[in-house]
Amino acid sequence: NAGVTQTPKFQVLKTGQSMTLQCAQDMNHEYMSWYRQDPGMGLRLIHYSVGAGITDQGEVPNGYNVSRSTTEDFPLRLLSAAPSQTSVYFCASRRLGRGSSPLHFGNGTRLTVT
Amino acid sequence: AQTVTQSQPEMSVQEAETVTLSCTYDTSENNYYLFWYKQPPSRQMILVIRQEAYKQQNATENRFSVNFQKAAKSFSLKISDSQLGDTAMYFCAFMIAYSGAGSYQLTFGKGTKLSVIP
Repeated sequence: NAGVTQTPKFQVLKTGQSMTLQCAQDMNHEYMSWYRQDPGMGLRLIHYSVGAGITDQGEVPNGYNVSRSTTEDFPLRLLSAAPSQTSVYFCASRRLGRGSSPLHFGNGTRLTVT
Repeated sequence: AQTVTQSQPEMSVQEAETVTLSCTYDTSENNYYLFWYKQPPSRQMILVIRQEAYKQQNATENRFSVNFQKAAKSFSLKISDSQLGDTAMYFCAFMIAYSGAGSYQLTFGKGTKLSVIP
């Protein structure tokens, strides 16, 4: 049972480069999300999705795009990387419906933009 | 909008002792869930314990328990018999308990870094 798989684990980009962070889950979770974690800031929501074809913005969406073509995958795209996007990125998913279904997290991607 | 406040950026505790991490939150909602997540140096995010706001009984998971005070909007985590493996960042998180736009989001506090000293 793989859970939530994120790739890559580490990435270094130059300012202006683009890249896609991959996220896949095998738990058939409807909800998927991307967070960024910065020192002293906790985790902040970037984008989320409640199902295939449905996405919405979180607290800090600027500079990021997402799409959800399948239930399993939720990639995060940086179109033109900036040093302010240096962070650790987490993908997380959960079951929707009644109950306090917790978020299941991937192991994170450490991104450095120089 | 919901906010979660963890007022202790760093704490330390001797091995085998008990420590309490504080968390307060602000919301106008009546039905919600609260969580504590642990992040060890490996960077994994691990669910420690959860509490439904409609339950008056405090949640307990082995050495971890919470003190949930709904009126005071307080949700502290108590770790008993602290172990070296408890050294980690601890995050308190809040989620509204109904379906609808924006209601699935978890709002996190900024975290408390706990060090267990041998």
